[in-house]
Amino acid sequence: EDQVTQSPEALRLQEGESSSLNCSYTVSGLRGLFWYRQDPGKGPEFLFTLYSAGEEKEKERLKATLTKKESFLHITAPKPEDSATYLCAVQAGGYNQGGKLIFGQGTELSVKP
Amino acid sequence: NAGVMQNPRHLVRRRGQEARLRCSPMKGHSHVYWYRQLPEEGLKFMVYLQKENIIDESGMPKERFSAEFPKEGPSILRIQQVVRGDSAAYFCASSLLSGTGLPEAFFGQGTRLTVV
Repeated sequence: EDQVTQSPEALRLQEGESSSLNCSYTVSGLRGLFWYRQDPGKGPEFLFTLYSAGEEKEKERLKATLTKKESFLHITAPKPEDSATYLCAVQAGGYNQGGKLIFGQGTELSVKP
Repeated sequence: NAGVMQNPRHLVRRRGQEARLRCSPMKGHSHVYWYRQLPEEGLKFMVYLQKENIIDESGMPKERFSAEFPKEGPSILRIQQVVRGDSAAYFCASSLLSGTGLPEAFFGQGTRLTVV
């Protein structure tokens, strides 16, 4: 069964204290891995898509990496406005089929000034 | 996020009533997905639709739930005879297949259904 596990469930950082969030997955035929940010009461906001092992993408203080079994979201020198729940999701299935995302439970990040 | 429009944002229904949730995808997107987020749980896939077609409904409960995406107008998720366990946030996402064939799905703000 396709599965996504995120750790830790919650992470508290001081402003400027860099850290990483983990997303491990088991899926038959990974087509892509997605990272989203979700603020309370809001919908998930798209951050990155990673397609193959070894790929890396960056956006401001965030950097996402992918291996064959897991993905990391590195947060460098975080600010309080980075506080949110970060969601990881995978997609399996046929090429050009689109389709469902399987989400992890999320990591709730809190950055204190 | 602003591109995918969901309404209403909040919906209160009494047990046994019907709930209708609407989703207008981003301009040019013809793929719509519905997800449910129960309290303290992650997002769970419900159904994937293209215009006038249900592509994958493997996450839909067998009874009381239905979805459509007509040629004209928004996608509708309908829940008949709601029960307290249906209380959740329902999110719609839309996508346009990219050149690689992988859709980057953009989510709406959700409809929070409360069944009393």
